Amino acid sequence: DVKVTQSSRYLVKRTGEKVFLECVQDMDHENMFWYRQDPGLGLRLIYFSYDVKMKEKGDIPEGYSVSREKKERFSLILESASTNQTSMYLCASRLGTGGLGQPQHFGDGTRLSIL
Amino acid sequence: AQSVTQPDIHITVSEGASLELRCNYSYGATPYLFWYVQSPGQGLQLLLKYFSGDTLVQGIKGFEAEFKRSQSSFNLRKPSVHWSDAAEYFCAVVRNDKIIFGKGTRLHILP
Repeated sequence: DVKVTQSSRYLVKRTGEKVFLECVQDMDHENMFWYRQDPGLGLRLIYFSYDVKMKEKGDIPEGYSVSREKKERFSLILESASTNQTSMYLCASRLGTGGLGQPQHFGDGTRLSIL
Repeated sequence: AQSVTQPDIHITVSEGASLELRCNYSYGATPYLFWYVQSPGQGLQLLLKYFSGDTLVQGIKGFEAEFKRSQSSFNLRKPSVHWSDAAEYFCAVVRNDKIIFGKGTRLHILP
């Protein structure tokens, strides 16, 4: 089974801090994704990466950046955390070959609170 | 444009009753469709997927879904729900190589 591991289940940070959310997958997947999930808004795509060193903006990239130095690891960075970034953050990975129908595999999420 | 619509935000059913969760999509070509489930405090788990072929798709945990092109629907069904099925369910479609999720339906189970 695919395992997607997010480094923290719960995280509390202060406004203005630089925050790193880490995600690691163990199935050699090419594609990785970061979403945030908010009540009533569903999942919104922040950034994604098709391969090492590659990154693409999703629907809501403002205030975030990402890093993909190794294939198995995809980091989400909040450059200067703000209270409106309090949310549940979900990482996912997907096999890059085999067509468009490959499903995404999700981590358990990081619930981030910005005080 | 909204690609996936789940018209029901909350649904409540009694344990042992049948279940149908609705999903409508807007996409011109034959879509790639998924249903995911999210238990409290967890990430999303894939229940089933549809690419082509047989329009009735079987998934894990006793769930199935039926693709109806004429209605642009991909509804999720289960003949008899269990208390452990209480969760949030997401329908999703692939568009431009990205997966677009519906806003979810939260399922409540009455004992």
